[in-house]
Amino acid sequence: EAGVVQSPRYKIIEKKQPVAFWCNPISGHNTLYWYLQNLGQGPELLIRYENEEAVDDSQLPKDRFSAERLKGVDSTLKIQPAELGDSAVYLCASSLAGGSSYNEQFFGPGTRLTVL
Amino acid sequence: GQSLEQPSEVTAVEGAIVQINCTYQTSGFYGLSWYQQHDGGAPTFLSYNALDGLEETGRFSSFLSRSDSYGYLLLQELQMKDSASYFCAVQRRRAGSYQLTFGKGTKLSVIP
Repeated sequence: EAGVVQSPRYKIIEKKQPVAFWCNPISGHNTLYWYLQNLGQGPELLIRYENEEAVDDSQLPKDRFSAERLKGVDSTLKIQPAELGDSAVYLCASSLAGGSSYNEQFFGPGTRLTVL
Repeated sequence: GQSLEQPSEVTAVEGAIVQINCTYQTSGFYGLSWYQQHDGGAPTFLSYNALDGLEETGRFSSFLSRSDSYGYLLLQELQMKDSASYFCAVQRRRAGSYQLTFGKGTKLSVIP
């Protein structure tokens, strides 16, 4: 069974440029998460989707960040414009159903973003 | 607010036993998870405790005391491949669903 797929694995951009990350979750997983991980820190939730609905986006900086999961499967996270402080690893994870008591989250390998 | 505390670094000898502690303060606490992450890799699930007590999975065990807001991960028969970062994460109920909040992680170095 394929795991969570993310692309690109690495991205280097100039500040003020836009950037987009793509995630394909494990087949059958209704819940999809985007996390940000800074060096030496734990993952921090940016947004959680239940199918195509964003049910928790309170930590998403909406002035520059946006996300979509149009058909309830794969998802895209966008930053426009990027700032130096956005340099981090962006992780995507999926689970069977976030509304259940507990479901293990499966993480993708992440996209390492460097903003110059 | 909420907080999770775990040691930033731990060093242990191959074949030995190591315990990584985690204390937390949060509202709506539901359970405690542990994840492992190798450098440059994805976090992977190790264990989950919703009730007090010890959960054992092979060489790894996890413990929870809800009354003390405390848990730990126990790694036995350490192997070099266990060198990684270990994150405790609290699961709490929020807005009708469940949210996972990660600690800053403990970097474990296993030495020969």
